[in-house]
Formats: sequence, structure tokens, C-alpha cells
Amino acid sequence: GENVEQHPSTLSVQEGDSAVIKCTYSDSASNYFPWYKQELGKGPQLIIDIRSNVGEKKDQRIAVTLNKTAKHFSLHITETQPEDSAVYFCAASITGANNLFFGTGTRLTVIP
Amino acid sequence: ETGVTQTPRHLVMGMTNKKSLKCEQHLGHNAMYWYKQSAKKPLELMFVYNFKEQTENNSVPSRFSPECPNSSHLFLHLHTLQPEDSALYLCASSGGLVGRQQYFGPGTRLTVT
Repeated sequence: GENVEQHPSTLSVQEGDSAVIKCTYSDSASNYFPWYKQELGKGPQLIIDIRSNVGEKKDQRIAVTLNKTAKHFSLHITETQPEDSAVYFCAASITGANNLFFGTGTRLTVIP
Repeated sequence: ETGVTQTPRHLVMGMTNKKSLKCEQHLGHNAMYWYKQSAKKPLELMFVYNFKEQTENNSVPSRFSPECPNSSHLFLHLHTLQPEDSALYLCASSGGLVGRQQYFGPGTRLTVT
């Protein structure tokens, strides 16, 4: 089955700096890669996703890049703000399949 | 986010108790999921229902019993649990099978004593 690895497990940045979280996956058939943000006491919320037919996607301060050859994808957050502090999860799946395979999460702390 | 609600939010139960977790989605979705979230581990998919039919059971012990009476409601019945079952149980729904955005509820924090 699919194996998703996520690094780092914790990340602290100064407000205004950029944050990068990286994930690798093992199944070359995976073609859908969402990123979720989980705040304390809440369930994960989708913040951005990318499909394998594109290499990069941006949404304001958030961007995701995908390298299918190397089987890794990354989340980039620019101009970080304290409200970006949360746990971020990457995931991978095959469209039409039941399983979303999640990484172990990255706890991001933005220091004011 | 109130599209997916879960009750109760917190539950403490003994190993001999029987309890149920409830999930309700108000998004008109047809697929619903149960996940287990433990500290420092990836979210673990437990069960998937699509149009009320169970399509996935990820080798979950029989002490966890799901029920999906309709596309809007999902239950997880618990009995004779073990302390290692203590975790956050998350419900999610989507407009189709995976490959479409999954919307998560806030979870039920379960503690087994």
C-alpha cells in the first residue's frame, strides 16, 4: 500500500518568514495530494490540493509543488502569520479509491 | 465549520461499557468515513461508506462496529474497548469517493479507562 512520509515533525518560524513542509509517497499510481490544517480542538480542514497533471498550485500565501518523478510534494507558506500555527498533514491517494494515506503531521509554530 | 457534526465531543468509558459515537453531515454528500487519530501517528482510516454501503474496513477489530442508516448519518458503536483505543475519532464526508475533498468533523476525544 501507499506510504507517506512527512518532514519535519515540528517547525518554528518567525512571523513574516516562509515555512516549507515536505512529503514523499511510495505509490507511483497516486494522483491526488491534499494538504490539511488542523487547529486545536478541530478536525482537519483542507487548505489546498493538487492533482498529478500539474506541477504547482497557488492560493494566496499558500502553494503546493509536486515532483512526480521524485514522488515528493511540498507545502509552502509565505509571509507567515500567528494564525498559521497549527498541525499540517499531507496525504496521497488514487482518484476513485477509498483510501487517503496521511503523513504524520507537522506542528508549525509562528512566533510573533 | 458546521457541515459535519460529531457527538459527543468527549467520552470517557470503562473497558466493559458500551457507547456510540454519532456523526451527521449537512452537505448532501454520499460518502462518509471514520478515522482514528492517535498522537504521533498518521490518521488511520477505519471504515468507508458510499451510498450507505460499507466499501472499506481496514482490519478494524470487531469491538468497533459502524452503522450507516442513511447518507447523512454515521455511527460507531463501541464495546469492550482497550486503553490503547483511546484516541480522537474523526468523521468525514465527501461528495464521492476519495479524490474529492473530504470534510472533517471536530472529532470525539475518547478515553478508555
